[in-house]
Amino acid sequence: EGQLLESGGGLVQPGGSLRLSCAASRFTFSRYAMSWVRQAPGKGLEWVSSISGSGDNTYYADSVKGRFTISRDSSKKTLYLQMNSLRAEDTAVYYCTKDIFGGVFVRWGQGTLVTVSS
Amino acid sequence: DIQLTQSPSSLSASVGDRVTITCRASQGMSNYLAWYQQKPGKVPNLLIYAASTLQSGVPSRFSGSGSGTDFTLTISNLQPEDVATYYCQKYNSAPLFGQGTRLEIK
Repeated sequence: EGQLLESGGGLVQPGGSLRLSCAASRFTFSRYAMSWVRQAPGKGLEWVSSISGSGDNTYYADSVKGRFTISRDSSKKTLYLQMNSLRAEDTAVYYCTKDIFGGVFVRWGQGTLVTVSS
Repeated sequence: DIQLTQSPSSLSASVGDRVTITCRASQGMSNYLAWYQQKPGKVPNLLIYAASTLQSGVPSRFSGSGSGTDFTLTISNLQPEDVATYYCQKYNSAPLFGQGTRLEIK
């Protein structure tokens, strides 16, 4: 099923930016859609964004549309999430996922914590 | 937009019990429904997709059913390691999770 390893989380001030990365291994990266799913502390799961295997199609939750950008680099087998204009409510653990069947999250990374606070 | 409502929000059951968790959609969505298990402090894990297809490696005591607006996750013969929060999720467009059901052992 593969492995996913996120990085790039940390503490950022409101209005700031952060770029998350997710290194994929042990599967053919370009064949799979990928997503970011987040979980605020003590809360449930929230889908953030998805990208097709080719990278041609991207999708965003309304809560992040216009602020976050998902991208991928197949040569590096890496998924990215550029997060701009961060808000306190973006504080969460961000998981990278490997997708099948149009949005089934079959493999999850360990997550990276993003904290937005002054 | 479709909304998902899980019930109950929490439950407590005994080892060996049969447990049922329900996920209701605000409108029909065929069988594009998945279930995930998240053990305390751990990463979510896919249990079931297409409403009733068991993911490889998941114990057979887990089963899913339903279509349209009403879906069910059943755990037969509850085990201590099943303590977790369970989430339903719709897919095929704008993925959305239910609010979760916390399962504890009596």
